[in-house]
Amino acid sequence: GAVVSQHPSWVICKSGTSVKIECRSLDFQATTMFWYRQFPKQSLMLMATSNEGSKATYEQGVEKDKFLINHASLTLSTLTVTSAHPEDSSFYICSARRQGQYEKLFFGSGTQLSVL
Amino acid sequence: QKEVEQDPGPLSVPEGAIVSLNCTYSNSAFQYFMWYRQYSRKGPELLMYTYSSGNKEDGRFTAQVDKSSKYISLFIRDSQPSDSATYLCAMSEKSGNQFYFGTGTSLTVIP
Repeated sequence: GAVVSQHPSWVICKSGTSVKIECRSLDFQATTMFWYRQFPKQSLMLMATSNEGSKATYEQGVEKDKFLINHASLTLSTLTVTSAHPEDSSFYICSARRQGQYEKLFFGSGTQLSVL
Repeated sequence: QKEVEQDPGPLSVPEGAIVSLNCTYSNSAFQYFMWYRQYSRKGPELLMYTYSSGNKEDGRFTAQVDKSSKYISLFIRDSQPSDSATYLCAMSEKSGNQFYFGTGTSLTVIP
């Protein structure tokens, strides 16, 4: 149990375009989902926390207009990178906290974004 | 001072060795402690979870928490090449909404 599906696993896009990444909890309800960014050989950098039905809370330095997060249901959160630029190229990972099991965090498989 | 400190390694051991991975932390309010394994270009996978102090064993893996020293460990017995990955420690407060991660230790098990 506790499977988090993330799609796509990799995406290449042109500079200026927008990219949407989906994160789904397949076998549980996730009241809270987190979005992370990870650079090579570095740890996870929290971008934002999203709770179902409410606006995401962004970490300091993360542009909310650039990284749009939507958590429309208990099983789905999306991250849209708007007007992507090469500096947005990174590995993005979502995670979900299971309803009633708040002490554990389950991760998706990650999305490698490359902006040309 | 970072909330969680973890030696990034890299750590290289021969197959069959016992591996010891460690993290220290500064926040005495942390109650939940986790170890994740992350393969290259994959999301972290939850390996072990412990609550408060003590030991927990699962197959070849043992997690230890020493709250008095603010120190947690993950031991891997009879290490295998498939254990080669980055290991991240993570922790959170009892009613917290944030998880704090170590930087990860890169482990290579040589056949």
